[in-house]
Amino acid sequence: EVQLVESGGGVVQPGGSLRLSCAASGFTFDDYAMHWVRQAPGKGLEWVSLISGDGGSTYYADSVKGRFTISRDNSKNSLYLQMNSLRTEDTALYYCAKDRGWLQFDGVDYWGQGTLVTVSS
Amino acid sequence: QSVLTQPPSASGTPGQRVTISCSGSSSNIGSNYVYWYQQLPGTAPKLLIYRNNQRPSGVPDRFSGSKSGTSASLAISGLRSEDEADYYCAAWDDSLSACVFGGGTKLTVL
Repeated sequence: EVQLVESGGGVVQPGGSLRLSCAASGFTFDDYAMHWVRQAPGKGLEWVSLISGDGGSTYYADSVKGRFTISRDNSKNSLYLQMNSLRTEDTALYYCAKDRGWLQFDGVDYWGQGTLVTVSS
Repeated sequence: QSVLTQPPSASGTPGQRVTISCSGSSSNIGSNYVYWYQQLPGTAPKLLIYRNNQRPSGVPDRFSGSKSGTSASLAISGLRSEDEADYYCAAWDDSLSACVFGGGTKLTVL
């Protein structure tokens, strides 16, 4: 059974940093690209970032480019999102998500339950 | 403003067929696959349709997807009360080198 468990969310002041983690199990982790997708309270889904199965290719939404960094440790079956220079508009539930493919977007087929990030002074 | 445009709401009565549209451009829907997600209240999204019209195992055949040019549609036939949810379309955008989602459509079963 595929399981994705996020951690690392919390309350942070504007301009601060946070690192999210996602522990994956139930599938061969390095065979699949992984995503971070967020959802602000009461709003729709917003894609944040994608990393290929080997970590060699990364993509970002314009809204986070230059501030967020996605990475993965295939030896630990883990996905990360380093978030710097946080803004109030980054407040959201952050989902870790598995892609159907290895390199680029081919549809997210599994989602975690999310970790809440609140940026507030 | 989302790159992919969906109607904010849709509705139908039990047993009816409803369709939800998703409009994009040549850089996303026009040149890449479309995916559809269902999000029930308080839960994570679920993949309903991949590669325009393919259903993952376990998704009822009441759900179907189609694509034409720069637009796509999700059809739900034999509407049930448990279909009441938010529905999102998504595609890769070659110009942005990013995945883009529609703004979501809230489906109400009357």
